[in-house]
Amino acid sequence: DAGVIQSPRHEVTEMGQEVTLRCKPISGHDYLFWYRQTMMRGLELLIYFNNNVPIDDSGMPEDRFSAKMPNASFSTLKIQPSEPRDSAVYFCASTPRQLYGEKLFFGSGTQLSVL
Amino acid sequence: GENVEQHPSTLSVQEGDSAVIKCTYSDSASNYFPWYKQELGKGPQLIIDIRSNVGEKKDQRIAVTLNKTAKHFSLHITETQPEDSAVYFCAASFNKFYFGSGTKLNVKP
Repeated sequence: DAGVIQSPRHEVTEMGQEVTLRCKPISGHDYLFWYRQTMMRGLELLIYFNNNVPIDDSGMPEDRFSAKMPNASFSTLKIQPSEPRDSAVYFCASTPRQLYGEKLFFGSGTQLSVL
Repeated sequence: GENVEQHPSTLSVQEGDSAVIKCTYSDSASNYFPWYKQELGKGPQLIIDIRSNVGEKKDQRIAVTLNKTAKHFSLHITETQPEDSAVYFCAASFNKFYFGSGTKLNVKP
């Protein structure tokens, strides 16, 4: 298996623009997570899905952030409009069966820079 | 919610020495404690984990210990090598994963 695949690897955009990050989880994994990593706040859980259904989005910072999972093999995280403070590395992760007590498989991340 | 604290934030050791990273957690309900290694430009990868019914677990040069009473757990790396240089994260979970702030380990050849 190719692992969790994220695109793009790097994204540079200007403030106010829409940004879309993409993720393909490992086939057969039931859970998908979006994390944000910054120096100040470390790894923060933004939202997670179970069988394509959003379960907990309490970590989504603002209404500017939205996430979808239209099918078992694809998820997007959208920021509209983007702001400089959104600059961070965004990770997607998946896990096979149980919600916790189970290994998280992370993608390589998307480095987002908002100018 | 859970609060996971990790120390030190940076650690520099000589090749061949041991490295120890410590974490504390606050929620006694947490029952799963993984450790992740993050290399530059990559996502975190699980290196070892421990569940609350076990006090110690070892895998070659790495080991993890758990003290449930004191609510702390530690990562031990023996005979460190330059390729061990990375950022290490601890986590505690019961109903969510809570990550520590990370430790940047530098192994000097």
